[in-house]
Amino acid sequence: GENVEQHPSTLSVQEGDSAVIKCTYSDSASNYFPWYKQELGKRPQLIIDIRSNVGEKKDQRIAVTLNKTAKHFSLHITETQPEDSAVYFCAASIGNQGGKLIFGQGTELSVKP
Amino acid sequence: DTEVTQTPKHLVMGMTNKKSLKCEQHMGHRAMYWYKQKAKKPPELMFVYSYEKLSINESVPSRFSPECPNSSLLNLHLHALQPEDSALYLCASSSDRGEYEQYFGPGTRLTVT
Repeated sequence: GENVEQHPSTLSVQEGDSAVIKCTYSDSASNYFPWYKQELGKRPQLIIDIRSNVGEKKDQRIAVTLNKTAKHFSLHITETQPEDSAVYFCAASIGNQGGKLIFGQGTELSVKP
Repeated sequence: DTEVTQTPKHLVMGMTNKKSLKCEQHMGHRAMYWYKQKAKKPPELMFVYSYEKLSINESVPSRFSPECPNSSLLNLHLHALQPEDSALYLCASSSDRGEYEQYFGPGTRLTVT
């Protein structure tokens, strides 16, 4: 079946450093790739997304890149701050099942001051 | 209103009880979702409603019964649950079914005793 692999499972960086989280998906019909941030005890919050007709998208300190040929996409956070500490989930749409997202297993990011 | 709301925030129920979870959005979204999330795991899709009709059921046991009374409301009726059903139940909505941004509610933390 379709799946999304996410790496690393944990990531610890120093404040001000960059953080990169990578995901690989299996469904070649996937066209939509959102990223969610979930702080402890809170809801998953959509922070950025990308569609298959775009290779890169940026929003302030956050960027996402997509390589459709290799079926992988990555989240880049620059100038990390302690408030970036959270679990980050990537997801990919399933091509023939409108509305269904497959999530990666999550990356627990810790930003040390 | 740009939020998805859920009630109650916490629920403790016995295995013989019947209870309901409620979700509401006033963003005019026509697709609504129920997810189940265990600790340190990604959200797992349970049901998708599109234009108030059930469009995806991810082989969820019949002790979980969804209902969409109107375009703004989504309920999840619970009956004869098992302790392993204890989890965070998240509702989400999107403008339409398909590859659209999904916005999550804060969730209901369910404990089955």
